[in-house]
Amino acid sequence: AQTVTQSQPEMSVQEAETVTLSCTYDTSESDYYLFWYKQPPSRQMILVIRQEAYKQQNATENRFSVNFQKAAKSFSLKISDSQLGDAAMYFCAHEGAQKLVFGQGTRLTINP
Amino acid sequence: ETGVTQTPRHLVMGMTNKKSLKCEQHLGHNAMYWYKQSAKKPLELMFVYSLEERVENNSVPSRFSPECPNSSHLFLHLHTLQPEDSALYLCASSQGGTQGYEQYFGPGTRLTVT
Repeated sequence: AQTVTQSQPEMSVQEAETVTLSCTYDTSESDYYLFWYKQPPSRQMILVIRQEAYKQQNATENRFSVNFQKAAKSFSLKISDSQLGDAAMYFCAHEGAQKLVFGQGTRLTINP
Repeated sequence: ETGVTQTPRHLVMGMTNKKSLKCEQHLGHNAMYWYKQSAKKPLELMFVYSLEERVENNSVPSRFSPECPNSSHLFLHLHTLQPEDSALYLCASSQGGTQGYEQYFGPGTRLTVT
């Protein structure tokens, strides 16, 4: 069975600094996708970034980038130049075998 | 605001009540999903519909009954719920059922079972 583990229930960072959120997963699939979703307080969940497992190059989206280590089954999210609007719950997710499995989430606080 | 809407946003119901949650997507997507989000637990996939046919039922109790009359609408019918069913119920849609498509989420319905 697919599992996704986020070992950091809460993280905080100073505004303009860089923070890394951890995610590990377990899968028997050879072809799959990994995602980071963001859920701001009282707002809808939105996609932050997506990685295809067969691509070795790490995905980047503006200030957001991932460190994808396929052999280690690790998929961390780096947020550079943190902004107040980045405060949210961040969920790591794995898609394989026609199913999307989420981690427990990491609550990120941005300190002004 | 995304193209997925959910009504009602808040619902309080007794254990003997029958109610329905509604989801509508305006994105022309082919797949729709129901998730349950409880405090301190991962998001749990409940049901998946692709082209209006149910393709995934994640061992959800029969007191939850989904309905997908067309590709734009998804319902979750509730009856004889338990207090542990209190949670945020999220609807989502995507262009396809798999292959890395982004899921677009609604705002959720906050359900409280008394």
